[in-house]
Amino acid sequence: AQKITQTQPGMFVQEKEAVTLDCTYDTSDPSYGLFWYKQPSSGEMIFLIYQGSYDQQNATEGRYSLNFQKARKSANLVISASQLGDSAMYFCASQEAGAQKLVFGQGTRLTINP
Amino acid sequence: NAGVTQTPKFQVLKTGQSMTLQCAQDMNHNSMYWYRQDPGMGLRLIYYSASEGTTDKGEVPNGYNVSRLNKREFSLRLESAAPSQTSVYFCASSPETKDYNEQFFGPGTRLTVL
Repeated sequence: AQKITQTQPGMFVQEKEAVTLDCTYDTSDPSYGLFWYKQPSSGEMIFLIYQGSYDQQNATEGRYSLNFQKARKSANLVISASQLGDSAMYFCASQEAGAQKLVFGQGTRLTINP
Repeated sequence: NAGVTQTPKFQVLKTGQSMTLQCAQDMNHNSMYWYRQDPGMGLRLIYYSASEGTTDKGEVPNGYNVSRLNKREFSLRLESAAPSQTSVYFCASSPETKDYNEQFFGPGTRLTVL
């Protein structure tokens, strides 16, 4: 069964600093996808970035990048030049190839201080 | 283009009452999902529908039923609500274009069962 572990319940970062949110995953399927979602205090789930298990390059989307280390089964989210609007819950999720469901971690609450 | 819409946004029920949560998407997606999010946790899949006319159980289906009314709409029904079903419910949809699919989420329904 898939499992996602996010070991940082909360993180506090100064504005403009870079931040890394940790995510480790466990899956027996050799083909899978890894996702990061942001959930601001308003409650909606916002897709940030995706990495496929066979992708050679680490995914990047604007200020977001995914540090994918397959051998260590980690898929950490890096946010560069953090902004006050980045304060939110962040969820890592995995999906095995052909499977319908996303499996979510428990999330990390990120607070950006001015 | 409204994306994924959910009604109602908030609901309070008494134990034993029934209700249906409505979800609709206008992105012509094949797959639709219902998740629940309990405090301090990630989302867990209740039911999903890979295509019109099909539904399957997810991780936590007990106490719920679903109907895929057509390609656009996917409803979740609580026949006899229990306090343990107090949660935030998210509907999501995804296109069926590749092995791993980004899921687009609705704004959520906050349900309290007294």
